Amino acid sequence: DSGVTQTPKHLITATGQRVTLRCSPRSGDLSVYWYQQSLDQGLQFLIQYYNGEERAKGNILERFSAQQFPDLHSELNLSSLELGDSALYFCASSPGGLAVETQYFGPGTRLLVL
Amino acid sequence: AQSVTQLGSHVSVSEGALVLLRCNYSSSVPPYLFWYVQYPNQGLQLLLKYTSAATLVKGINGFEAEFKKSETSFHLTKPSAHMSDAAEYFCAVSGPGGGADGLTFGKGTHLIIQP
Repeated sequence: DSGVTQTPKHLITATGQRVTLRCSPRSGDLSVYWYQQSLDQGLQFLIQYYNGEERAKGNILERFSAQQFPDLHSELNLSSLELGDSALYFCASSPGGLAVETQYFGPGTRLLVL
Repeated sequence: AQSVTQLGSHVSVSEGALVLLRCNYSSSVPPYLFWYVQYPNQGLQLLLKYTSAATLVKGINGFEAEFKKSETSFHLTKPSAHMSDAAEYFCAVSGPGGGADGLTFGKGTHLIIQP
């Protein structure tokens, strides 16, 4: 158990819909990362937050957005969903958001878009 | 831009045999390198990481990796495979200088252990 929690574990929705994925980092960690894992794209970094502020963006689509709240939990919002958005979405956390730090991964949210 | 190449999407070894999973990186500056393992239906767990302190890094579950700058490699090894080592293994790189940008992952290697 990494200490990172993600809800829900599974999500099934239809094309065009909007969903919100939630992540609670390890106690004391200020930085949260979001990753997408799919068969064709592999594991891709989406976005990073540090203490409520966006720090870095990766391959995140404009239809996707995220935020980190004062209690440090984070939400990833996916809108206008397409079939290709079906994937496993991971959240990870680290203490200070530095490149040298270990990122601790949650169990993931499996999204299926029908 | 940084990148990671994992040679071999599938590697099969016999139980008790040497495990060797290959990882080559591309980076304009000395990177930080990581090996993660993913068991079925689970998240990623850190096996070990290289942060420039020592070129031979020991991790959990008997795994180790050696950073070779001249070969831009960070191959993962284990002397004797166990059935419980069957999983997906990912090599990843992140930038130095305290920057963010997340981890850049290789495509993964599926390790199969034959009884």
